[in-house]
Amino acid sequence: QTVVTQEPSFSVSPGGTVTLTCGLRSGSVSNSNYPSWYRQTPGQAPRTLIYRTNTRSSGVPDRFSGSILGNKAALTITGAQADDESDYYCMLYIDSDIRVFGGGTKLTVL
Amino acid sequence: EVQLVESGGALIQPGGSLRVSCAASGFNVGSNFMSWVRQAPGKGLEWISIMYSNGDTSHTDSVKGRFSISRDNSKNTLFLQMHNLRVEDTALYYCAITRDYALQHWGQGTLVTVSS
Repeated sequence: QTVVTQEPSFSVSPGGTVTLTCGLRSGSVSNSNYPSWYRQTPGQAPRTLIYRTNTRSSGVPDRFSGSILGNKAALTITGAQADDESDYYCMLYIDSDIRVFGGGTKLTVL
Repeated sequence: EVQLVESGGALIQPGGSLRVSCAASGFNVGSNFMSWVRQAPGKGLEWISIMYSNGDTSHTDSVKGRFSISRDNSKNTLFLQMHNLRVEDTALYYCAITRDYALQHWGQGTLVTVSS
């Protein structure tokens, strides 16, 4: 069973920069896993932020960027704002047409 | 404008069956890859099924043999048929357009509660 790992929680100061990561319990994440990132606030449906590792979805500000850092996918938020406080999920494409989400990171801006 | 509206969620007893729907507008379901994702109360997201434009499907292991994904192109609607439901299938079920290996547009979800 494929397990995708994310930090359970993270905090950042307003105006600061934070990098959230997305790894595989067994193995490395690469562009071939087509990492995507989603943001969800309580009571709302998820919203797509990043796909294909580093492509921003329509309307997503360039404060959000995606990359591969070492053996993990990463989502970097620069100039953090209060309304960036959300749950962030990554999803990876795995062999045999399966997609797997990470457990999510709860980001606090304070 | 792309819109996805899920419906059909209900309270169902363990072992029961249920079909949830996802009515689409602004695009053709049959020409796109479509996924179902669920979220148990207070938990994270779980991808469960995909239907490709050619009709091929794939499911995560936890629902294989119990859930099936289908579509009605004439109604522009995606379905998720669920059998032998378990308490752990209780979740908000979302449909989403799948493009570039990602979930690009999401509905608001329909709640399925499995309980006796």
